[in-house]
Amino acid sequence: RKEVEQDPGPFNVPEGATVAFNCTYSNSASQSFFWYRQDCRKEPKLLMSVYSSGNEDGRFTAQLNRASQYISLLIRDSKLSDSATYLCVVNSYNTDKLIFGTGTRLQVFP
Amino acid sequence: EPEVTQTPSHQVTQMGQEVILRCVPISNHLYFYWYRQILGQKVEFLVSFYNNEISEKSEIFDDQFSVERPDGSNFTLKIRSTKLEDSAMYFCASGPGTREAFFGQGTRLTVV
Repeated sequence: RKEVEQDPGPFNVPEGATVAFNCTYSNSASQSFFWYRQDCRKEPKLLMSVYSSGNEDGRFTAQLNRASQYISLLIRDSKLSDSATYLCVVNSYNTDKLIFGTGTRLQVFP
Repeated sequence: EPEVTQTPSHQVTQMGQEVILRCVPISNHLYFYWYRQILGQKVEFLVSFYNNEISEKSEIFDDQFSVERPDGSNFTLKIRSTKLEDSAMYFCASGPGTREAFFGQGTRLTVV
């Protein structure tokens, strides 16, 4: 089983749509969770950390379900500029390394 | 806004040659990392560096690879004898702690 698993997509949605991405992780000792965004041939950029209580940043909402080892990202009112690959990232207790999923590609069209 | 900077943006080298990739992490960060991404694949951890020593490394980071923080600002990755399969985007990252990491724009390494 992959350490971090994501649906690669692509998700093609119209402007204004709501879209949700899911991610599962295999290591129950995982401690920290993030969503990063990566544009084509660019560096990953931290979008948001994911907390157990769930958290929201503007149009973006992240949820964590530790029991199911599942993380989600919801984007409301999609913009053309949201088109990118969204990377689910975890790290475990007592390790420094971030473990990346392969990413979910989002394409927002007019 | 402070950022991680990497040089060069693109490096072409012949197989067997040594390359040094350079990074200037964000100034008040204490944790430094190298990751790589082969075209079309996921981002992979190579090494982490804290308190002037390697704190963790992956299986990819074999004895052909080394890291150094020669002064208070630079953080370098050296590949001693490059192979074709070392062709990838190499990202430097830094973080204030062991949670979040902020990435540089990357160095595209092409081994021919």
